[in-house]
Amino acid sequence: DAGITQSPRHKVTETGTPVTLRCHQTENHRYMYWYRQDPGHGLRLIHYSYGVKDTDKGEVSDGYSVSRSKTEDFLLTLESATSSQTSVYFCAIHQGLTNYGYTFGSGTRLTVV
Amino acid sequence: AQTVTQSQPEMSVQEAETVTLSCTYDTSESDYYLFWYKQPPSRQMILVIRQEAYKQQNATENRFSVNFQKAAKSFSLKISDSQLGDAAMYFCAYRSAKGQGGKLIFGQGTELSVKP
Repeated sequence: DAGITQSPRHKVTETGTPVTLRCHQTENHRYMYWYRQDPGHGLRLIHYSYGVKDTDKGEVSDGYSVSRSKTEDFLLTLESATSSQTSVYFCAIHQGLTNYGYTFGSGTRLTVV
Repeated sequence: AQTVTQSQPEMSVQEAETVTLSCTYDTSESDYYLFWYKQPPSRQMILVIRQEAYKQQNATENRFSVNFQKAAKSFSLKISDSQLGDAAMYFCAYRSAKGQGGKLIFGQGTELSVKP
């Protein structure tokens, strides 16, 4: 969907290095989410945001932090990457209305070696 | 806490045939939404169909339909006249109706292959 972009699309990094993934939206949606996808687990919520500077933890937040200084950008940071954080990361946005589904980015495949 | 379970890691169907993917969920809430998402090899997450829990009528979108059994907490997806392009990973997801920005809770996924 053209309204949401993730960068980078692929990244290989070394254990112990910091990594930041970016999610950018042009839809002016209030809600933004970071998920990770792993085989056998589906997508699991890492962190989410319900407005500028308003964020909260999801079910797998350990080792991750987020920031949202502007409506359009939601950053996910791995302070010190570990091999267990090798995954595909998805950003999603939601306009906050009732039964509307979410719009997902194309995902970032992160490999920690 | 709500949970979503997809007990079929892999399914296979012959082209033009019908296949049903299973999904069960656990919740104490009475008002919620259920979704099926398709993820082809491109990794893109595509909304297939959605169901509001307060509606008794099962949702239908062209060849895709659901069997929503609220009391049994079951939400299966039926794909009729399967096509090669239906091959993908399918995820069932739950969202509470409380609040506006409810989080999606996903099942483990079912990998569907379509044989020509």
